[in-house]
Amino acid sequence: DSGVTQTPKHLITATGQRVTLRCSPRSGDLSVYWYQQSLDQGLQFLIQYYNGEERAKGNILERFSAQQFPDLHSELNLSSLELGDSALYFCASSVASSYNSPLHFGNGTRLTVT
Amino acid sequence: GNSVTQMEGPVTLSEEAFLTINCTYTATGYPSLFWYVQYPGEGLQLLLKATKADDKGSNKGFEATYRKETTSFHLEKGSVQVSDSAVYFCALRHLTGNQFYFGTGTSLTVIP
Repeated sequence: DSGVTQTPKHLITATGQRVTLRCSPRSGDLSVYWYQQSLDQGLQFLIQYYNGEERAKGNILERFSAQQFPDLHSELNLSSLELGDSALYFCASSVASSYNSPLHFGNGTRLTVT
Repeated sequence: GNSVTQMEGPVTLSEEAFLTINCTYTATGYPSLFWYVQYPGEGLQLLLKATKADDKGSNKGFEATYRKETTSFHLEKGSVQVSDSAVYFCALRHLTGNQFYFGTGTSLTVIP
């Protein structure tokens, strides 16, 4: 158990809809990262937050947004969903202050857009 | 820039065979290096790590040595088991600490 909790595990929705994915980081980890994993594109970095503030952006679409709350949990919002958004979405957390520290991943949310 | 290059898969081995999955990196300075494993239907799990040149990370029979001169961090296991079937990801964390860079993953299937 990595200590990172993601909900829901599975989500099935229709094109054009909006969903929210939730992540609780490991206790003590201030940094949260979101990744998208699809079959043909591997692991794609979306966005990183540290203690409530956005720190880095990767290949995140404008239809997607995220935030980190004062209690350090994070949410990833996906809107105007398209078939191509179907993927596994992972949250990961890390101790931001040390470059020796690894990422700890949750088990992911599998999103299916129909 | 920073990047990680992994050998392409998929890799299929017989049980008890020797495993090598190649990983090379490009980075300024001395990053930390990691191997992650992803079993079917699960998230990525840290397998091992090395934080400076010549460090050897090891776990569950897997090993990888941080080679600065060849900018490599190849994953090895002397005798694979069916239960090692998974996707393996090489990654680096840059000195500045914020960013992680992942390879594309190598799928391993071990057959009895």
